[in-house]
Amino acid sequence: DIVMTQTPLSLPVTPGEPASISCRSSQSLLDSDDGYTYLDWFQQKPGQSPQLLFYLRSYRASGVPGRFSASGSGTDFTLKISRVEAEDVGVYYCMQRLEFPYTFGQGTKLEIK
Amino acid sequence: QEQLVQSGTEVRKPGSSVTVSCEASGGTFSSDAISWVRQAPGQGLEWMGGITPVFGTTYYAKKFQGRVTITADKATRTAYIELSSLTSDDTAIYYCARADYDYVSGTYRYRAFDSWGQGTPVIVSS
Repeated sequence: DIVMTQTPLSLPVTPGEPASISCRSSQSLLDSDDGYTYLDWFQQKPGQSPQLLFYLRSYRASGVPGRFSASGSGTDFTLKISRVEAEDVGVYYCMQRLEFPYTFGQGTKLEIK
Repeated sequence: QEQLVQSGTEVRKPGSSVTVSCEASGGTFSSDAISWVRQAPGQGLEWMGGITPVFGTTYYAKKFQGRVTITADKATRTAYIELSSLTSDDTAIYYCARADYDYVSGTYRYRAFDSWGQGTPVIVSS
């Protein structure tokens, strides 16, 4: 199985400051046949179901604010928030869907200082 | 956007089985792939398996093979997950999630999970 590793696991941030979450996979998530990288990001706010933020490495899902961005390639990926707001509190997960079984990172808990 | 509505809280004894349902509305069930993802208390997300209802093709995580069955009823637009031989480690919130899919090189690949159910708590306790 592809192992997904996120860092940090806890991320205290002052409102208005930037935040960055790293996700690393145990093998490349690039499908050389179609050129896409099969890495998605999800946000799970307290008490809610997960919500899609980005798919295929950097495509923003509908309704996701512009302060969120995603980048990376191969095995190393990053989710960034340019200026954290109180509503961004929650747990962020990366997930690979290059091959079954799909696997998630452990999650990064973002909290407000 | 398609909406997924799951069945309610389940309480089971160790060794028993549980079935959770997930009804889809507002979209095209025939173009869906439904995955099941669980989250143990205070823990992360774990993909358990998925199904393409129109073809009935299933994929399961090895960890659950032999103990999990995912099915779908096209007429009622409902997907199900049954988990047997329950232990306390199966106490979790179970989510369904939908995606479009592609058929590539003899296998299905699900697209992004763009809609999730509200979650169904399953409590396993003696």
